[in-house]
Amino acid sequence: AQSVTQLGSHVSVSEGALVLLRCNYSSSVPPYLFWYVQYPNQGLQLLLKYTSAATLVKGINGFEAEFKKSETSFHLTKPSAHMSDAAEYFCALISGNTPLVFGKGTRLSVIA
Amino acid sequence: DARVTQTPRHKVTEMGQEVTMRCQPILGHNTVFWYRQTMMQGLELLAYFRNRAPLDDSGMPKDRFSAEMPDATLATLKIQPSEPRDSAVYFCASGPPRQGTQPQHFGDGTRLSIL
Repeated sequence: AQSVTQLGSHVSVSEGALVLLRCNYSSSVPPYLFWYVQYPNQGLQLLLKYTSAATLVKGINGFEAEFKKSETSFHLTKPSAHMSDAAEYFCALISGNTPLVFGKGTRLSVIA
Repeated sequence: DARVTQTPRHKVTEMGQEVTMRCQPILGHNTVFWYRQTMMQGLELLAYFRNRAPLDDSGMPKDRFSAEMPDATLATLKIQPSEPRDSAVYFCASGPPRQGTQPQHFGDGTRLSIL
Protein backbone atom coordinates (compact mmCIF):
# COMPACT_ATOMS: atom_id res chain seq x y z
CA ALA A 1 0.00 0.00 0.00
CA GLN A 2 1.13 3.52 -0.66
CA SER A 3 2.17 5.79 2.20
CA VAL A 4 3.92 9.03 2.98
CA THR A 5 6.22 9.65 5.93
CA GLN A 6 7.24 13.14 6.96
CA LEU A 7 10.28 13.17 9.21
CA GLY A 8 9.88 15.68 12.01
CA SER A 9 6.53 16.98 13.14
CA HIS A 10 8.10 20.35 13.95
CA VAL A 11 11.03 22.13 12.32
CA SER A 12 12.40 25.44 13.52
CA VAL A 13 14.75 27.62 11.46
CA SER A 14 16.13 31.13 11.71
CA GLU A 15 15.00 33.78 9.27
CA GLY A 16 17.31 33.63 6.25
CA ALA A 17 18.39 30.05 6.90
CA LEU A 18 17.82 27.05 4.66
CA VAL A 19 14.49 25.29 4.97
CA LEU A 20 14.52 21.52 4.57
CA LEU A 21 11.36 19.49 5.14
CA ARG A 22 11.73 15.77 4.64
CA CYS A 23 9.31 13.42 2.95
CA ASN A 24 9.71 9.75 2.10
CA TYR A 25 7.18 7.67 0.27
CA SER A 26 6.24 4.10 -0.41
CA SER A 27 4.50 3.14 -3.62
CA SER A 28 4.27 0.01 -5.74
CA VAL A 29 3.93 2.07 -8.94
CA PRO A 30 5.54 5.34 -10.01
CA PRO A 31 3.82 7.99 -7.91
CA TYR A 32 2.78 11.56 -8.35
CA LEU A 33 3.99 13.61 -5.38
CA PHE A 34 2.82 16.91 -3.95
CA TRP A 35 3.57 19.46 -1.30
CA TYR A 36 0.80 21.54 0.23
CA VAL A 37 1.00 24.39 2.73
CA GLN A 38 -1.62 25.24 5.35
CA TYR A 39 -1.70 28.60 7.09
CA PRO A 40 -3.63 28.95 10.36
CA ASN A 41 -7.40 28.71 9.96
CA GLN A 42 -7.13 28.12 6.25
CA GLY A 43 -7.36 25.25 3.83
CA LEU A 44 -4.45 23.66 2.03
CA GLN A 45 -2.71 25.36 -0.85
CA LEU A 46 -0.74 23.49 -3.49
CA LEU A 47 2.95 24.43 -3.40
CA LEU A 48 4.26 22.16 -6.11
CA LYS A 49 3.83 18.76 -7.70
CA TYR A 50 5.92 16.08 -9.37
CA THR A 51 4.26 14.23 -12.23
CA SER A 52 7.17 12.26 -13.77
CA ALA A 53 8.65 15.08 -15.83
CA ALA A 54 11.65 16.95 -14.39
CA THR A 55 12.86 15.54 -11.08
CA LEU A 56 13.53 19.01 -9.69
CA VAL A 57 10.25 20.81 -9.29
CA LYS A 58 9.90 24.50 -8.60
CA GLY A 59 6.87 25.80 -6.81
CA ILE A 60 5.44 28.99 -5.45
CA ASN A 61 7.03 31.23 -2.82
CA GLY A 62 10.56 30.11 -3.72
CA PHE A 63 10.12 26.49 -2.70
CA GLU A 64 11.38 23.54 -4.66
CA ALA A 65 11.51 19.77 -4.25
CA GLU A 66 13.58 17.03 -5.79
CA PHE A 67 12.24 13.57 -6.60
CA LYS A 68 14.84 10.91 -5.83
CA LYS A 69 13.62 7.48 -6.80
CA SER A 70 16.65 5.68 -5.34
CA GLU A 71 15.96 7.23 -1.95
CA THR A 72 12.15 7.24 -2.29
CA SER A 73 12.27 10.84 -1.19
CA PHE A 74 10.70 14.14 -2.15
CA HIS A 75 12.19 16.69 0.24
CA LEU A 76 11.06 20.32 0.17
CA THR A 77 13.64 23.10 0.32
CA LYS A 78 13.88 26.86 0.26
CA PRO A 79 17.26 28.63 0.32
CA SER A 80 16.25 31.42 2.68
CA ALA A 81 13.40 31.26 5.17
CA HIS A 82 11.04 34.18 5.58
CA MET A 83 8.76 34.84 8.53
CA SER A 84 5.77 34.38 6.25
CA ASP A 85 6.83 30.76 5.58
CA ALA A 86 5.71 29.73 9.06
CA ALA A 87 2.91 27.23 8.45
CA GLU A 88 2.13 23.52 8.31
CA TYR A 89 3.45 21.62 5.31
CA PHE A 90 2.03 18.38 3.98
CA CYS A 91 3.59 15.93 1.60
CA ALA A 92 1.12 13.84 -0.38
CA LEU A 93 1.08 11.05 -2.93
CA ILE A 94 -1.13 9.66 -5.65
CA SER A 95 -0.38 6.10 -6.69
CA GLY A 96 -2.28 4.71 -9.64
CA ASN A 97 -5.92 5.75 -9.42
CA THR A 98 -6.01 5.96 -5.65
CA PRO A 99 -7.02 9.21 -3.98
CA LEU A 100 -4.40 11.54 -2.59
CA VAL A 101 -2.72 10.25 0.59
CA PHE A 102 -1.29 12.84 2.97
CA GLY A 103 1.56 12.66 5.39
CA LYS A 104 1.05 13.77 8.99
CA GLY A 105 2.43 17.23 8.34
CA THR A 106 5.43 19.25 9.52
CA ARG A 107 5.00 22.52 11.33
CA LEU A 108 7.61 25.07 10.29
CA SER A 109 8.53 27.83 12.71
CA VAL A 110 10.71 30.74 11.60
CA ILE A 111 12.66 32.58 14.27
CA ALA A 112 13.56 36.22 13.80
CA ASP B 1 -9.45 34.27 -7.69
CA ALA B 2 -11.84 31.32 -7.80
CA ARG B 3 -12.45 29.81 -4.39
CA VAL B 4 -14.05 26.80 -2.82
CA THR B 5 -16.62 28.14 -0.36
CA GLN B 6 -17.57 26.25 2.77
CA THR B 7 -20.34 27.07 5.20
CA PRO B 8 -20.56 27.39 8.10
CA ARG B 9 -16.99 28.23 9.09
CA HIS B 10 -17.66 27.25 12.69
CA LYS B 11 -20.30 25.05 14.25
CA VAL B 12 -20.84 24.19 17.88
CA THR B 13 -23.65 21.86 18.78
CA GLU B 14 -24.64 19.22 21.26
CA MET B 15 -24.21 15.52 20.89
CA GLY B 16 -27.06 13.88 19.02
CA GLN B 17 -27.86 16.88 16.86
CA GLU B 18 -27.79 16.77 13.06
CA VAL B 19 -24.98 18.70 11.43
CA THR B 20 -24.95 19.78 7.80
CA MET B 21 -21.86 21.22 6.15
CA ARG B 22 -22.00 22.76 2.70
CA CYS B 23 -19.49 23.29 -0.03
CA GLN B 24 -19.59 25.23 -3.25
CA PRO B 25 -16.85 23.93 -5.56
CA ILE B 26 -15.12 26.10 -8.11
CA LEU B 27 -17.21 26.55 -11.23
CA GLY B 28 -16.16 24.03 -13.85
CA HIS B 29 -14.55 21.63 -11.38
CA ASN B 30 -16.10 18.17 -11.63
CA THR B 31 -14.35 16.43 -8.75
CA VAL B 32 -15.22 17.17 -5.13
CA PHE B 33 -13.47 15.82 -2.04
CA TRP B 34 -14.35 15.82 1.65
CA TYR B 35 -11.50 15.59 4.16
CA ARG B 36 -11.45 15.56 7.94
CA GLN B 37 -8.49 16.94 9.89
CA THR B 38 -7.72 16.10 13.51
CA MET B 39 -4.58 16.33 15.58
CA MET B 40 -4.50 12.59 16.10
CA GLN B 41 -5.32 11.32 12.62
CA GLY B 42 -4.17 14.17 10.42
CA LEU B 43 -5.97 14.54 7.09
CA GLU B 44 -8.36 11.73 6.22
CA LEU B 45 -10.31 11.40 3.01
CA LEU B 46 -13.96 10.82 3.78
CA ALA B 47 -15.45 10.76 0.29
CA TYR B 48 -15.07 12.06 -3.19
CA PHE B 49 -17.31 12.63 -6.18
CA ARG B 50 -16.80 12.97 -9.88
CA ASN B 51 -19.52 14.49 -12.01
CA ARG B 52 -21.74 14.38 -8.90
CA ALA B 53 -21.45 10.60 -8.55
CA PRO B 54 -19.77 9.17 -5.45
CA LEU B 55 -16.59 7.33 -6.38
CA ASP B 56 -15.29 6.44 -2.97
CA ASP B 57 -16.82 6.93 0.45
CA SER B 58 -14.96 4.16 2.23
CA GLY B 59 -13.42 6.63 4.67
CA MET B 60 -16.79 7.68 6.00
CA PRO B 61 -18.65 6.06 8.93
CA LYS B 62 -21.71 4.90 7.05
CA ASP B 63 -24.05 4.70 10.00
CA ARG B 64 -23.98 8.41 10.75
CA PHE B 65 -22.32 10.24 7.86
CA SER B 66 -23.73 10.93 4.42
CA ALA B 67 -22.39 12.94 1.51
CA GLU B 68 -24.31 14.14 -1.52
CA MET B 69 -24.13 16.48 -4.47
CA PRO B 70 -27.65 17.73 -5.18
CA ASP B 71 -26.25 19.68 -8.12
CA ALA B 72 -22.91 20.64 -9.61
CA THR B 73 -22.65 23.76 -7.44
CA LEU B 74 -23.36 22.21 -4.05
CA ALA B 75 -21.90 19.36 -2.03
CA THR B 76 -23.17 18.47 1.43
CA LEU B 77 -21.80 16.41 4.29
CA LYS B 78 -24.24 15.43 7.01
CA ILE B 79 -23.70 13.84 10.38
CA GLN B 80 -26.71 12.40 12.19
CA PRO B 81 -26.52 11.85 15.08
CA SER B 82 -23.34 13.74 15.90
CA GLU B 83 -20.91 12.54 18.56
CA PRO B 84 -18.05 14.29 20.40
CA ARG B 85 -15.51 12.22 18.44
CA ASP B 86 -16.73 13.94 15.27
CA SER B 87 -15.17 17.20 16.45
CA ALA B 88 -12.67 18.17 13.76
CA VAL B 89 -12.09 20.52 10.87
CA TYR B 90 -13.85 19.36 7.73
CA PHE B 91 -12.43 20.47 4.40
CA CYS B 92 -13.98 20.43 1.00
CA ALA B 93 -11.77 20.53 -2.07
CA SER B 94 -12.43 20.48 -5.78
CA GLY B 95 -10.50 19.62 -8.90
CA PRO B 96 -10.91 20.29 -12.61
CA PRO B 97 -11.52 17.67 -15.27
CA ARG B 98 -8.46 15.56 -16.20
CA GLN B 99 -6.84 16.27 -12.83
CA GLY B 100 -7.58 12.77 -11.62
CA THR B 101 -7.73 12.30 -7.87
CA GLN B 102 -5.71 15.36 -6.94
CA PRO B 103 -7.69 18.15 -5.30
CA GLN B 104 -6.69 21.47 -6.76
CA HIS B 105 -8.29 23.95 -4.40
CA PHE B 106 -9.33 23.63 -0.79
CA GLY B 107 -11.93 25.59 1.09
CA ASP B 108 -11.10 27.15 4.45
CA GLY B 109 -12.91 24.41 6.32
CA THR B 110 -15.74 24.02 8.82
CA ARG B 111 -14.51 23.79 12.41
CA LEU B 112 -16.97 21.48 14.14
CA SER B 113 -17.25 21.08 17.90
CA ILE B 114 -19.64 18.52 19.34
CA LEU B 115 -20.28 19.00 23.05
